[in-house]
Amino acid sequence: KQEVTQIPAALSVPEGENLVLNCSFTDSAIYNLQWFRQDPGKGLTSLLLIQSSQREQTSGRLNASLDKSSGRSTLYIAASQPGDSATYLCAVRMKTSYDKVIFGPGTSLSVIP
Amino acid sequence: DGGITQSPKYLFRKEGQNVTLSCEQNLNHDAMYWYRQDPGQGLRLIYYSQIVNDFQKGDIAEGYSVSREKKESFPLTVTSAQKNPTAFYLCASSMGTVNTEAFFGQGTRLTVV
Repeated sequence: KQEVTQIPAALSVPEGENLVLNCSFTDSAIYNLQWFRQDPGKGLTSLLLIQSSQREQTSGRLNASLDKSSGRSTLYIAASQPGDSATYLCAVRMKTSYDKVIFGPGTSLSVIP
Repeated sequence: DGGITQSPKYLFRKEGQNVTLSCEQNLNHDAMYWYRQDPGQGLRLIYYSQIVNDFQKGDIAEGYSVSREKKESFPLTVTSAQKNPTAFYLCASSMGTVNTEAFFGQGTRLTVV
């Protein structure tokens, strides 16, 4: 059974720091991995999607990498801002007959001005 | 504007009642999903549908029911059999199943009173 974990569970950094969020998964039979942002009481906003054949994706200050063989992905946020404060979730799309999307528990990020 | 619309945003249910959460998308997506989110936990899959008139149970389907009579609609009914229905419910959709990005609605917060 696929298990997705995220480390750390919570992170607090001063504004301007570069930071890395980690996502691990146990079953490498995935189609893709997606990073989301969730603000309190809101739905999820897609940040980056990495296909299983790709190594990384970039969007602005965000860079996500994928090492499928080791079951790991990282989300790198450069020059963090208070507006980046949110919960970040990773999710993998499984290669099953009906492909499920399995989520990690999330990392709660607080960027202090 | 294209997107996923969930309604209502807040819903209160008396014990023993069934309630239905609405999810509509105008993205022409084939696949739709329902997730439940509890404080401190990741999203858990309730039901998903790859195509009209077809749906599959997720990891926590007990006490829930769905229908997929139209491509753009995937309503979720929380029945009286669901013992702990108070949670945040999220609907998502994607173009298909393989190598596609998932998009989420803004969620419905259900509270049992």
